[in-house]
Amino acid sequence: AQSVTQPDIHITVSEGASLELRCNYSYGATPYLFWYVQSPGQGLQLLLKYFSGDTLVQGIKGFEAEFKRSQSSFNLRKPSVHWSDAAEYFCAVGPMDSNYQLIWGAGTKLIIEP
Amino acid sequence: NAGVTQTPKFQVLKTGQSMTLQCAQDMNHNSMYWYRQDPGMGLRLIYYSASEGTTDKGEVPNGYNVSRLNKREFSLRLESAAPSQTSVYFCASSVGLTSYNEQFFGPGTRLTVL
Repeated sequence: AQSVTQPDIHITVSEGASLELRCNYSYGATPYLFWYVQSPGQGLQLLLKYFSGDTLVQGIKGFEAEFKRSQSSFNLRKPSVHWSDAAEYFCAVGPMDSNYQLIWGAGTKLIIEP
Repeated sequence: NAGVTQTPKFQVLKTGQSMTLQCAQDMNHNSMYWYRQDPGMGLRLIYYSASEGTTDKGEVPNGYNVSRLNKREFSLRLESAAPSQTSVYFCASSVGLTSYNEQFFGPGTRLTVL
């Protein structure tokens, strides 16, 4: 069955420290890959996406993600987090065939310690 | 540009009551979506509209109906609310109905059914 797993429900990071959020997917072929962020009380906003080509993708707000085909992973990273990065982060995959529906992970809530 | 707007922001209903959640987008997008977000489950697609005049069921359509009123507006109706429909509802839109298109989200409606 197609699925997206974000193994960490919560992650706590000190301000200025590096961050890595994990995302693994189960899918028959390489799908389109996305990371969205949801700030408190807001809708979701696209951080970055991977379609093909370079496996290291740059996004907004200083985030990047690396696609690893052998591990079926698309982990999100940031070298130095800011208090404003506190939010919930969602990984999603989208099939390349005619089925357009995105499959969403359950989300990882990022808590920033001062 | 307001993007995607949703009304109301909050709503409390009693079991059996009905209500309509409104959504509008000003980005001239063809496709629109309704999701529900429940803790630990990510987003689940309720209904979508590929283009004006068409609507289709998503993953969890039972208990809901939708209307694509025009290109801008896509409403979600609960005919007889149940406590299981307590959730946060998000409307989203995209240029077209393919999984690589970025989806733009509204701020959400937090619905409680007593």
